[in-house]
Amino acid sequence: DTAVSQTPKYLVTQMGNDKSIKCEQNLGHDTMYWYKQDSKKFLKIMFSYNNKELIINETVPNRFSPKSPDKAHLNLHINSLELGDSAVYFCASRLRLATNEKLFFGSGTQLSVL
Amino acid sequence: DQQVKQNSPSLSVQEGRISILNCDYTNSMFDYFLWYKKYPAEGPTFLISISSIKDKNEDGRFTVFLNKSAKHLSLHIVPSQPGDSAVYFCAASAGNTGTASKLTFGTGTRLQVTL
Repeated sequence: DTAVSQTPKYLVTQMGNDKSIKCEQNLGHDTMYWYKQDSKKFLKIMFSYNNKELIINETVPNRFSPKSPDKAHLNLHINSLELGDSAVYFCASRLRLATNEKLFFGSGTQLSVL
Repeated sequence: DQQVKQNSPSLSVQEGRISILNCDYTNSMFDYFLWYKKYPAEGPTFLISISSIKDKNEDGRFTVFLNKSAKHLSLHIVPSQPGDSAVYFCAASAGNTGTASKLTFGTGTRLQVTL
């Protein structure tokens, strides 16, 4: 009964390929995110969607295209994969309360570009 | 420009003792701070948070202290347990009243609690 689930967990592919990572949350949250954790362990925000609308785009190359068919899903499509795209990608959804908020993360997708 | 820094990549503490994890930030606009815990092959999970209007927040064995003048926060775990062994990320955001806030994370500190 996973709250934020993303698939696949591991993705190994060749340079130049196009791949997608899917994310779904069953928490009823309005806001979802994609974060990237690179080899230096920095966890950086890539995108945020609120009710299917793009809210944050952190100067990510346009080879990365998020798509939100509904507020429970935020998928990430990557075109023309490069070696530097190898990282762990985390999806998250946000619970926002009056005085605080917290993110719920998926278990991550480890992308290896060969 | 690393706005949230965790200068200790790792920390080893004996079971039952106190674990102190530190975090420094540079952006004076940050007003909300969180700690996340991450086990291998899992996503980060929320642990505890603190607003800039407070200097301390406690939840069971976990206490977060905030020193705004020093732009420093710390997470205390007392007593430390083997199950606390994980990577701990400090995170901060500026103004969480909008439709989407942006958390800036540190690089994490790996805590090892030994028997």
